[in-house]
Amino acid sequence: KAGVTQTPRYLIKTRGQQVTLSCSPISGHRSVSWYQQTPGQGLQFLFEYFSETQRNKGNFPGRFSGRQFSNSRSEMNVSTLELGDSALYLCASSFRDTYTEAFFGQGTRLTVV
Amino acid sequence: EDQVTQSPEALRLQEGESSSLNCSYTVSGLRGLFWYRQDPGKGPEFLFTLYSAGEEKEKERLKATLTKKESFLHITAPKPEDSATYLCALPSAGATNKLIFGTGTLLAVQP
Repeated sequence: KAGVTQTPRYLIKTRGQQVTLSCSPISGHRSVSWYQQTPGQGLQFLFEYFSETQRNKGNFPGRFSGRQFSNSRSEMNVSTLELGDSALYLCASSFRDTYTEAFFGQGTRLTVV
Repeated sequence: EDQVTQSPEALRLQEGESSSLNCSYTVSGLRGLFWYRQDPGKGPEFLFTLYSAGEEKEKERLKATLTKKESFLHITAPKPEDSATYLCALPSAGATNKLIFGTGTLLAVQP
């Protein structure tokens, strides 16, 4: 069974630009979550989608947004990039709707210059 | 508010030297606890799920245990390939799969 796939793996953007990251969950998983990981803050929850509905959102500015499609694939978007947005962005999928382990992709390394 | 604290922050072991990593938590109601391994620049790899106090899970040289206040990840006779950051996480309350992560323990096993 294929794992969680994130594209692209690496991205370099300039301040002020916007970026879209993509995530394909494990087949049959309807829950997709996104996390930001930085050396100073660790893994911080961004948002979670289940059956195309955003169920939960972390404490991030409105520049961070996401969506989920009917095939459970998800995208997240960051607009007006700032230097501080440089991080590893991780997507995870889960089989059940609550309290279940999440399986992570390899992440997208975003560098803002 | 649910919280997860891991210790130590970093641990250096000699190959074959067994030790334990700690994950302490405060939670309104235990909904499970997860252990992950993360290699540099990669996503966390799922290791174990523990749901109730007294539960134990094993995989190769790793054994995870759970009490009402903390979880331990015991590493028996580690090898250099066990070097990684080990993370524990709790599910957040409510209808969600949001996970609350500890800051991790960076394990280095020297040959």
